[in-house]
Amino acid sequence: EPEVTQTPSHQVTQMGQEVILRCVPISNHLYFYWYRQILGQKVEFLVSFYNNEISEKSEIFDDQFSVERPDGSNFTLKIRSTKLEDSAMYFCATWTGRGTGELFFGEGSRLTVL
Amino acid sequence: GEDVEQSLFLSVREGDSSVINCTYTDSSSTYLYWYKQEPGAGLQLLTYIFSNMDMKQDQRLTVLLNKKDKHLSLRIADTQTGDSAIYFCAESSVGTGRRALTFGSGTRLQVQP
Repeated sequence: EPEVTQTPSHQVTQMGQEVILRCVPISNHLYFYWYRQILGQKVEFLVSFYNNEISEKSEIFDDQFSVERPDGSNFTLKIRSTKLEDSAMYFCATWTGRGTGELFFGEGSRLTVL
Repeated sequence: GEDVEQSLFLSVREGDSSVINCTYTDSSSTYLYWYKQEPGAGLQLLTYIFSNMDMKQDQRLTVLLNKKDKHLSLRIADTQTGDSAIYFCAESSVGTGRRALTFGSGTRLQVQP
């Protein structure tokens, strides 16, 4: 079964450092998403991406965050200058763009900011 | 904004039925979903229901939707220890163009052998 793959599975970084999280979407999917889950809290929407541009973003997705799909395969989330409160599990999800809106999630990248 | 609420914890004995409840605020919700998260894993879609349906059954899973009260439930029949996980309710509103899912905080289901 096709799946969404994310790397790294776990990253530890110092506060103020830049972090890039990577996602390889399912090949025929057109919509891509990043969600995050702070330990013990809700899964929160960050951003959606379609046709090489952001289609929707939440209040969490401020100027410190950016997304791109530089090579037509990887979909990346960049955090420019990490803060302690960015520590969370970051999930990539993808959707075909048709049907019931089922999102397929990756296994997540755990980010720990020290 | 949209909000989805769930109780945090449910404990049942193996073989019993589990019922996980969810309430949501957005009356324009189009699809409602149940996702399962096992320890260290991503979110796996279990089932979904379209907002014009009252009930959907899929093997051991039964989803009930009360659109008037904005209440969604997931019933797991004959609960097994392998069903122990966190269950997330989520909704989306296609009609308003809001595709992104809004998730509840998750209900941790513990199944006692």
